[in-house]
Amino acid sequence: DTGVSQDPRHKITKRGQNVTFRCDPISEHNRLYWYRQTLGQGPEFLTYFQNEAQLEKSRLLSDRFSAERPKGSFSTLEIQRTEQGDSAMYLCASSFIGAGYTFGSGTRLTVV
Amino acid sequence: KNEVEQSPQNLTAQEGEFITINCSYSVGISALHWLQQHPGGGIVSLFMLSSGKKKHGRLIATINIQEKHSSLHITASHPRDSAVYICAVAYSGNTPLVFGKGTRLSVIA
Repeated sequence: DTGVSQDPRHKITKRGQNVTFRCDPISEHNRLYWYRQTLGQGPEFLTYFQNEAQLEKSRLLSDRFSAERPKGSFSTLEIQRTEQGDSAMYLCASSFIGAGYTFGSGTRLTVV
Repeated sequence: KNEVEQSPQNLTAQEGEFITINCSYSVGISALHWLQQHPGGGIVSLFMLSSGKKKHGRLIATINIQEKHSSLHITASHPRDSAVYICAVAYSGNTPLVFGKGTRLSVIA
């Protein structure tokens, strides 16, 4: 297992377009988290899953954001009608009780 | 108000210096994490602490549960230690982490 993989690494999109990011967690990890990080700030929680169930969504996650983890393995984060304020690094992490957290390298989104 | 406070925000050190980064939090936690983030974004987990002290190579992390405070120390600092160091807490189990804003460390040769 090579850790948590995120795809793409970078995405540049025009305002108003939809984008989708993918996260492949460590296979034994049952929890998967999405965070957003803007320049000079620590990551902020967006949402997380235990297996395929979405357990919690942050108030940061507007109606334009949706996340899925259909088979309890990989997850997707979709942003509809992107805005310039959506420009950020989107980080995925996975965990298993007692095993700590493992982070992906992130997807850097730039909305122009 | 951020529930996890780090200090300093920025730190520049000469190679070989002993470095301390501090983290305080406001309510009881199940675990505290120290993380390292290099330019490009990837985050690496350094330590997970619920009590006492842990050491790995030149890195030492301590936590005082009563005072709600943790420190990360780097001995004999090296330019390759230059990164952002982030403190994060979990309030129970493997719930989502709450992060500090990070400390940007630059070690100059």
